[in-house]
Amino acid sequence: RKEVEQDPGPFNVPEGATVAFNCTYSNSASQSFFWYRQDCRKEPKLLMSVYSSGNEDGRFTAQLNRASQYISLLIRDSKLSDSATYLCVVRVSGGYNKLIFGAGTRLAVHP
Amino acid sequence: DGGITQSPKYLFRKEGQNVTLSCEQNLNHDAMYWYRQDPGQGLRLIYYSQIVNDFQKGDIAEGYSVSREKKESFPLTVTSAQKNPTAFYLCASSLSGAYNEQFFGPGTRLTVL
Repeated sequence: RKEVEQDPGPFNVPEGATVAFNCTYSNSASQSFFWYRQDCRKEPKLLMSVYSSGNEDGRFTAQLNRASQYISLLIRDSKLSDSATYLCVVRVSGGYNKLIFGAGTRLAVHP
Repeated sequence: DGGITQSPKYLFRKEGQNVTLSCEQNLNHDAMYWYRQDPGQGLRLIYYSQIVNDFQKGDIAEGYSVSREKKESFPLTVTSAQKNPTAFYLCASSLSGAYNEQFFGPGTRLTVL
């Protein structure tokens, strides 16, 4: 079983739509949680951290449920420029900055 | 401009040849990392270094080697012992400590023919 699991998609949505991605993690030593965005053939870039209380950054809302080991990302009012792969990432304890990456969920926003 | 550079962007090699991928950063970061990305899989850690002249194996170190002689540089050698070397290789760096953001270079796409 993968340590971080995501639906690979693709999610094909029209501009303006609201879309939600989910992610589950299995490592109980998970300490911090993130969503990264990766454009085709480019490097991943941090989109936002995920806090237990939930957090919002403009059109993006992230939620964490530690009891269910579940993370979500909600994108409202989708733009064409949101088309990318969204990686769920978990930092685990282990003495160094160890990140575990999900395989990503692909989003395609169309006109 | 501060950042991480990787070269080359695309690399082609014949099977059985060793190849070295470059990673340089001018962010004054102590920690550096090498990841590999394959289609349908998450990034997997190959090696990491928390300080100059020290490095540790990650989850998939077999067939790879690294050096960290300078703070700014962390080259990765893909040896002929690596069974499936064709992949997208990403270098990252961060401040030392367990809670700092990792910044990624643009990656090198290696194809072994």
